[in-house]
Amino acid sequence: QVTLKESGPVLVKPTETLTLTCTVSGFSLSNARMGVSWIRQPPGKALEWLAHIFSNDEKSYSTSLKSRLTISKDTSKSQVVLTMTNMDPVDTATYYCARTDYDILTGDVWGKGTTVTVSS
Amino acid sequence: EIVLTQSPGTLSLSPGERATLSCRASQSVSSSYLAWYQQKPGQAPRLLIYGASSRATGIPDRFSGSGSGTDFTLTISRLEPEDFAVYYCQQYGSSLVTFGQGTKLEIK
Repeated sequence: QVTLKESGPVLVKPTETLTLTCTVSGFSLSNARMGVSWIRQPPGKALEWLAHIFSNDEKSYSTSLKSRLTISKDTSKSQVVLTMTNMDPVDTATYYCARTDYDILTGDVWGKGTTVTVSS
Repeated sequence: EIVLTQSPGTLSLSPGERATLSCRASQSVSSSYLAWYQQKPGQAPRLLIYGASSRATGIPDRFSGSGSGTDFTLTISRLEPEDFAVYYCQQYGSSLVTFGQGTKLEIK
């Protein structure tokens, strides 16, 4: 059974750096066809793609957030880490990670999400 | 960056009716990279359709996707009570992924 679980702080202060971890099971991050994406959703708003990473270490980032994001993976720990610098209250959202098929660039299995609030 | 515009914003229908949701792209999208998701309150999105018209595992055949180029459609042939939710389209192109703003399907 494929599962993904997001973890990280519930509350961060403005200007701080957010670090989120996605721990996967049921598939390997070394699988040539699979990767992990991060997507977020502010309260009551639409989904917003942030970044993805694949087994060959190929990475892509949202154009608008590229300067603030870093995605990486630790295959031995089955974890994908997303960091976002200079957090602002507008970054308050539920952050999801999703297994992503390299051939169709679609998230076929999602984690339940983790809610992050940015406030002083 | 490709912008996806979904219409209508809200669709009010009754169980048993047919639902037609639209997703229009600002430039041509490869059909291989067009997907639809369903999201219910408090839950993560669920993949319904990938490659514009292929149903994901476990998705009932009342859900179907069609379209090409800049115009794509999600059709629910006969609405069940559990189908009332928000639906998003998503595309991948030029190393970037974008989502539409969503269509809320509500009970009339």
